[in-house]
Amino acid sequence: DAGVTQSPTHLIKTRGQQVTLRCSPISGHKSVSWYQQVLGQGPQFIFQYYEKEERGRGNFPDRFSARQFPNYSSELNVNALLLGDSALYLCASSLEFDPRTGPGNTIYFGEGSWLTVV
Amino acid sequence: QKEVEQDPGPLSVPEGAIVSLNCTYSNSAFQYFMWYRQYSRKGPELLMYTYSSGNKEDGRFTAQVDKSSKYISLFIRDSQPSDSATYLCAMSTLGTNAGKSTFGDGTTLTVKP
Repeated sequence: DAGVTQSPTHLIKTRGQQVTLRCSPISGHKSVSWYQQVLGQGPQFIFQYYEKEERGRGNFPDRFSARQFPNYSSELNVNALLLGDSALYLCASSLEFDPRTGPGNTIYFGEGSWLTVV
Repeated sequence: QKEVEQDPGPLSVPEGAIVSLNCTYSNSAFQYFMWYRQYSRKGPELLMYTYSSGNKEDGRFTAQVDKSSKYISLFIRDSQPSDSATYLCAMSTLGTNAGKSTFGDGTTLTVKP
C-alpha cells in the first residue's frame, strides 16, 4: 500500500514568491494535517482538514492557507515567501477525526517537501 | 517558554546500553503522549502512544508518563545502531485528533557498535 505521498520533494523559491505543496493521504484516510519543521526543531502544527473542512489551525500568519479536495488530497499554499519559511513541510494522514476519543488511531507522516527560500 | 521541552542531547551510547529520553510540558490539558522516531531527512514515524499517566511497553521500548510532574520518558533497552535517529515527543489534548499535536524539538541519539 502506498503511504502518504508529498510533492515536490525539494524546491527553491525566491523571497516574495508563492509556493504550493501537495499531499496524497493513505487510501481510506480522510484527515490530513500539515506541519512545518525548521532544521533542528520539532514539527509545528499548521492546519488540519477533515472531510474538506478545516478542523484546526496553528499559530501561522494568513500567508499560509490550505484546502482539501473531494479525494482527500490536500494542498498547502504559502504566499509572499520569507527566508524564515525555509523548512521541511510535512503532511500527515489519519483515518478519521473524532474529538470524543482523541488520538486513538495512528497518524502517518509523509517524507516531506524541503522548501528553501533564497 | 515552549509548551513542550525536550532534553536536547545529542546523546551517544554504546550498543546494548539503556537509553533514557525525556520531555517536560507545561499544559496540564495534555492527555495523550506520543514518541516518534525520525531518521535523517525522513518523516517522523510513530513509536508509541500513551493515554494519561502510567507505563506502556512494546518490545525494547517503554514509555512512561507522570502527569503529576508533567514529565514523560522513553526508555530503549539493548540499544542497537539501527536505533540511531532523532526522537521526538509529542502531546495532544482530550478532544483533539493526533493530527494536531505539539512536538518537542527532538533528541538525536547515536548508538555506536
